[in-house]
Amino acid sequence: NAGVTQTPKFRVLKTGQSMTLLCAQDMNHEYMYWYRQDPGMGLRLIHYSVGEGTTAKGEVPDGYNVSRLKKQNFLLGLESAAPSQTSVYFCASSPGQVYGYTFGSGTRLTVV
Amino acid sequence: GENVEQHPSTLSVQEGDSAVIKCTYSDSASNYFPWYKQELGKRPQLIIDIRSNVGEKKDQRIAVTLNKTAKHFSLHITETQPEDSAVYFCAAPTGGGNKLTFGTGTQLKVEL
Repeated sequence: NAGVTQTPKFRVLKTGQSMTLLCAQDMNHEYMYWYRQDPGMGLRLIHYSVGEGTTAKGEVPDGYNVSRLKKQNFLLGLESAAPSQTSVYFCASSPGQVYGYTFGSGTRLTVV
Repeated sequence: GENVEQHPSTLSVQEGDSAVIKCTYSDSASNYFPWYKQELGKRPQLIIDIRSNVGEKKDQRIAVTLNKTAKHFSLHITETQPEDSAVYFCAAPTGGGNKLTFGTGTQLKVEL
């Protein structure tokens, strides 16, 4: 099993450009999450999904959109990138409530 | 929503000593408390978790204790080794248990 796979691993964007981050899991997990990690601020939740076709906002959703068209995939979109979105993005999945997360290896995004 | 506070932000110990990291949470309905270890440049990985029906759980050199009355839980690492050096995050559920709120992390350094 690959677990949780994120693509790409690194990306540099210019301000105003758009991009999509892909998260794929092969563990048949219902729940999937997107977090961003910034120095000194821990992991902050952007959006999450509790099942195929569902999405919900997290703590810092502005500037991002998500889709969960298939159970195994969770896409994070940036429509118009801003320097404040420079961060490391982690995807995670979970079988459900009161279970730990399995994280992907992260995407380091720089917006210039 | 859930508020998770983690202390200390940095912790330096001598090899072989014990290390303790503490977290407090605000939602008395929270019932699941995981701890994650993140090595430099790597993804967070679940190292131990505890559910609200137990007060302590051990796994070799690591243990977690839970005090539901005081709404705090702690990570204990005994006989620390250099490979224990990492950032440790606590978390607690929020949003009806559908997602986790993370503490801001503790940078543990084990010195020879």
